Amino acid sequence: DAMVIQNPRYQVTQFGKPVTLSCSQTLNHNVMYWYQQKSSQAPKLLFHYYDKDFNNEADTPDNFQSRRPNTSFCFLDIRSPGLGDAAMYLCATSREGVGAGYGYTFGSGTRLTVV
Amino acid sequence: AQSVTQLGSHVSVSEGALVLLRCNYSSSVPPYLFWYVQYPNQGLQLLLKYTTGATLVKGINGFEAEFKKSETSFHLTKPSAHMSDAAEYFCAVSERGGTASKLTFGTGTRLQVTL
Repeated sequence: DAMVIQNPRYQVTQFGKPVTLSCSQTLNHNVMYWYQQKSSQAPKLLFHYYDKDFNNEADTPDNFQSRRPNTSFCFLDIRSPGLGDAAMYLCATSREGVGAGYGYTFGSGTRLTVV
Repeated sequence: AQSVTQLGSHVSVSEGALVLLRCNYSSSVPPYLFWYVQYPNQGLQLLLKYTTGATLVKGINGFEAEFKKSETSFHLTKPSAHMSDAAEYFCAVSERGGTASKLTFGTGTRLQVTL
């Protein structure tokens, strides 16, 4: 089945130690998004790629970076995780972007714990 | 800027009772509207969406929603709740058109289903 896969499902990292979360998709969608969701809150968009074009949200901290080496994969890098970065990180894809009326397909998320 | 408001962070219904989850949006032009469901430690799953055409939209798991432009609302309903419906529900909105469009989520409504 075509899907969006996030690895790992659970990640524990040390305060200040760089961490990378990965997302892969078999849907061949143009757009890939990274959302941060803290407990009992709405998902908050960090950035997205339309093909290779990177779009950063204005309030995304510099500590968060992303790479998309090809259509299928997208990575979220947290350079120096702080306790406040503990959250669920959700990857989503969309065929042509929601502006064309397509919804997102989400992965199962990676829950990040910072110790 | 678009926004979406979900009235009631927690809703509790009895099994077999009507489910009504409220969503109002703010937008200068009618946006695209979506409802997503999230089970614990999972990603979000699309329930239904409104883009154009019939204002009553049917989704998965027996849910439906009606777009009411005059009320700027997109409430989610299900005639008879099932225990498996217990989850977090998010209403979301996006602009029409443009590759930079993104989903903006409401703060979510946690649905509890009791025996």
